Amino acid sequence: DAKTTQPNSMESNEEEPVHLPCNHSTISGTDYIHWYRQLPSQGPEYVIHGLTSNVNNRMASLAIAEDRKSSTLILHRATLRDAAVYYCILRRNNAGNMLTFGGGTRLMVKP
Amino acid sequence: NAGVMQNPRHLVRRRGQEARLRCSPMKGHSHVYWYRQLPEEGLKFMVYLQKENIIDESGMPKERFSAEFPKEGPSILRIQQVVRGDSAAYFCASSPIQNRGVMNTEAFFGQGTRLTVV
Repeated sequence: DAKTTQPNSMESNEEEPVHLPCNHSTISGTDYIHWYRQLPSQGPEYVIHGLTSNVNNRMASLAIAEDRKSSTLILHRATLRDAAVYYCILRRNNAGNMLTFGGGTRLMVKP
Repeated sequence: NAGVMQNPRHLVRRRGQEARLRCSPMKGHSHVYWYRQLPEEGLKFMVYLQKENIIDESGMPKERFSAEFPKEGPSILRIQQVVRGDSAAYFCASSPIQNRGVMNTEAFFGQGTRLTVV
């Protein structure tokens, strides 16, 4: 499986935008880029996913590099509730492929 | 539409006992995944099941662990003769299947079962 690389941790101030980077230089053409987050003592929660084009939803935006070797999850205004571990995952576009979690980025939000 | 339901939320077992963890997927989802998260570590894939079939158990320990997803009822992860090293949070996720078997949709996770072996 193609691997992703994320910083171990990042800090942000409340109400400010946060850009969480992810490198995936060995991504293949059929790999979708998924982001999940895990709040303390909870199960992972889907955030967003995309293939080639940038994506927006109510939670976040996903900016995908033109060569697809990296992507950035953008939280437009961080809140204290956004403090979590954020996982960038490549998921192959075939039936039944599981999500393979790496170490993720622990986001700390300061008031 | 209720989310993925896992029970119990907390389970305490003595060494050597059996642990049975249950997962009811979201309505209409026929794909279930089990993950284990050791304290202060990431999530590790264990097994992927469809109704009455194990599709991928490459992450499952070879001994003492088993999983099933019967035609009726929840998916069960069973750990026999538990040891202290089995203490972890066990998460279940479910996904629907899209057209032509494409799976690139979101997975929904339960709140997990926290197993403590004493």
